[in-house]
Amino acid sequence: GQQVQQSPTSLVLQEGENAELQCNFSTSLNSMQWFYQRPGGSLISVFYNPSGTKQSGRLTSTTVIKERRSSLHISSSQITDSGTYLCAMGSSNTNKVVFGTGTRLQVLP
Amino acid sequence: DMKVTQMPRYLIKRMGENVLLECGQDMSHETMYWYRQDPGLGLQLIYISYDVDSNSEGDIPKGYRVSRKKREHFSLILDSAKTNQTSVYFCASSWGQGQDTQYFGPGTRLLVL
Repeated sequence: GQQVQQSPTSLVLQEGENAELQCNFSTSLNSMQWFYQRPGGSLISVFYNPSGTKQSGRLTSTTVIKERRSSLHISSSQITDSGTYLCAMGSSNTNKVVFGTGTRLQVLP
Repeated sequence: DMKVTQMPRYLIKRMGENVLLECGQDMSHETMYWYRQDPGLGLQLIYISYDVDSNSEGDIPKGYRVSRKKREHFSLILDSAKTNQTSVYFCASSWGQGQDTQYFGPGTRLLVL
């Protein structure tokens, strides 16, 4: 079954609203990474966060290994935040990285 | 400047033709990856390379092969391309074996007619 589940699959916000993106994984992990992808674009690493909380500007990532989940919080969203956010889990069993199918975020003016 | 490059960026081939996708990185990363991305399926790992001539199948290796003769270059080869190999292909690299930040190339859009 799917090892990495992302929710929601899509999200529409008004500019200035906050967003909470979730990533749940079914197996034990040893790494967690969040990526941002603009339509038709490449993947840009947003956070490498295997555990705990990291913040960068308006973005905060929290990974709780015991609960097998990671979240990405976007505060005061901007139109330029629109795109797809993917989480990727590194499995401690296989040494491979498994990607979620992403959350498509659209921020409206 | 840390960079992963891919060539070509766009490619149209006919079914049965051979396809060569090239990837380069300037960070001396040991590990390199080839993924394909399809709507609704996310990124799927095709092959992973741990160093020169040290390659391992990913989750969907069938119909693909790879070559890594230099640490900075990793090639993906489709012998006799099929229409279901139409996709966007991404190359990535990282220091370690999956536990480190991955850096992605810009992608190659392949259309197999």
